Amino acid sequence: AQTVTQSQPEMSVQEAETVTLSCTYDTSESDYYLFWYKQPPSRQMILVIRQEAYKQQNATENRFSVNFQKAAKSFSLKISDSQLGDAAMYFCAMDSNYQLIWGAGTKLIIKP
Amino acid sequence: IAGITQAPTSQILAAGRRMTLRCTQDMRHNAMYWYRQDLGLGLRLIHYSNTAGTTGKGEVPDGYSVSRANTDDFPLTLASAVPSQTSVYFCASSLSSGRPNEQFFGPGTRLTVL
Repeated sequence: AQTVTQSQPEMSVQEAETVTLSCTYDTSESDYYLFWYKQPPSRQMILVIRQEAYKQQNATENRFSVNFQKAAKSFSLKISDSQLGDAAMYFCAMDSNYQLIWGAGTKLIIKP
Repeated sequence: IAGITQAPTSQILAAGRRMTLRCTQDMRHNAMYWYRQDLGLGLRLIHYSNTAGTTGKGEVPDGYSVSRANTDDFPLTLASAVPSQTSVYFCASSLSSGRPNEQFFGPGTRLTVL
C-alpha cells in the first residue's frame, strides 16, 4: 500500500532561522509526484512546492526547498529565513492511482 | 468566482438530518475531490470524480454520496448525519486526475453534528 508518513507532529523554529520538516513515503512506482502543502490558521490549503520523482534536481521556490532522496523514499522540506507568516500545518502528499495520499501533517510554530 | 467556492462556511446540524455541502469551481478542471480533515489524521478522501458524469469512492465513503452532473459542481450529501461526521470538509479540483494531479482547494466547511 502507498503510504506517506510525517513523523514530527510539531516543530518550532526561531524567526529568521532554518527549519526542516520530514516526510517519508512508500511506493512501488518509479515515477510519481510529491507535494508539500501549507495550511495556515485561515484553513486554506496552499501548494508550497512539488517534485517529480524522475527529476534528480531538488525543487526550490524562494525560501522553500526540498531534499528529495528517491532511494531512501524521503522528501523533506527546508524553510530558510523563517517568517511569522510561515506558521501553519504542513502536509506532505504523493500522487498515486489518480489520487493524492496524505501525511498526517506537521504543525510549525515560529518563535519571534 | 475565482477558484473553488464552498458553502456553507460552517453548519451545526442535528443528528439524523440530511445535509448537502456545495462545491463549485470555475477553472474548468476535470477532476474534483471531497476530503474530510480530522485532527491528527490529515486529509482523507471521501469521494472523487475524474470527469463530469463519473464518480468514485475514496478511503472513507460510507454515509456520503456525491454527484457530478456538470464540470463545475460537485455536491456532497450526508443522507442522515451522525456525530462521527463532525469534521472540516474540503473540496478540491485538479486539471486532470492524471499526473501531476496538482490539486487546488476550497476554503472548507466546518460541520458539527450534534
